[in-house]
Amino acid sequence: ETGVTQSPTHLIKTRGQQVTLRCSSQSGHNTVSWYQQALGQGPQFIFQYYREEENGRGNFPPRFSGLQFPNYSSELNVNALELDDSALYLCASSLAGGFGGYTFGSGTRLTVV
Amino acid sequence: GQQLNQSPQSMFIQEGEDVSMNCTSSSIFNTWLWYKQDPGEGPVLLIALYKAGELTSNGRLTAQFGITRKDSFLNISASIPSDVGIYFCAGLYSNTGNQFYFGTGTSLTVIP
Repeated sequence: ETGVTQSPTHLIKTRGQQVTLRCSSQSGHNTVSWYQQALGQGPQFIFQYYREEENGRGNFPPRFSGLQFPNYSSELNVNALELDDSALYLCASSLAGGFGGYTFGSGTRLTVV
Repeated sequence: GQQLNQSPQSMFIQEGEDVSMNCTSSSIFNTWLWYKQDPGEGPVLLIALYKAGELTSNGRLTAQFGITRKDSFLNISASIPSDVGIYFCAGLYSNTGNQFYFGTGTSLTVIP
């Protein structure tokens, strides 16, 4: 059983640029959630995808967008990057309804300069 | 969003000691999870709780779902150096679908 894999592991971008982060969900999981974790903080919910549609969104602006593909993998896109977007971005997969909890990937460390 | 308060923020303990930490919310949750996060890694699920009053163990770890459904507790017995890390609680608030809210974390240091 493969876990959640995220790519890339680290990324440095310039303010104003756009970035795409990728996530492959754990085998058998059909729901993907994205979280942003600033240094020293708990993860903050960005949004969740189920059956290729957004299924809940946290308090993040529209320049944060996502996709889910038929194989349940997912992308997080962030446009017009700001310095405060620097964080660890975590992808988590689960069964529908979150039953059994989330399985997290190791995250992508994004630094915006 | 929902606020989960974790305490203590940090703990420094001797190897072999027991550890207790808790998490409280202003809202009722119907699922509580406890995670451990090592530096540079994603959180790893330790224990999941689904019913008020539920007490669940995973090795030296024991967690409880509070009767009021607004709190949860995690205990670690006979701590060892590899218990070092940040422990997060997470709650599922039924009115917001599948969004888990995370606490601010408890940083645990075990002194050999």
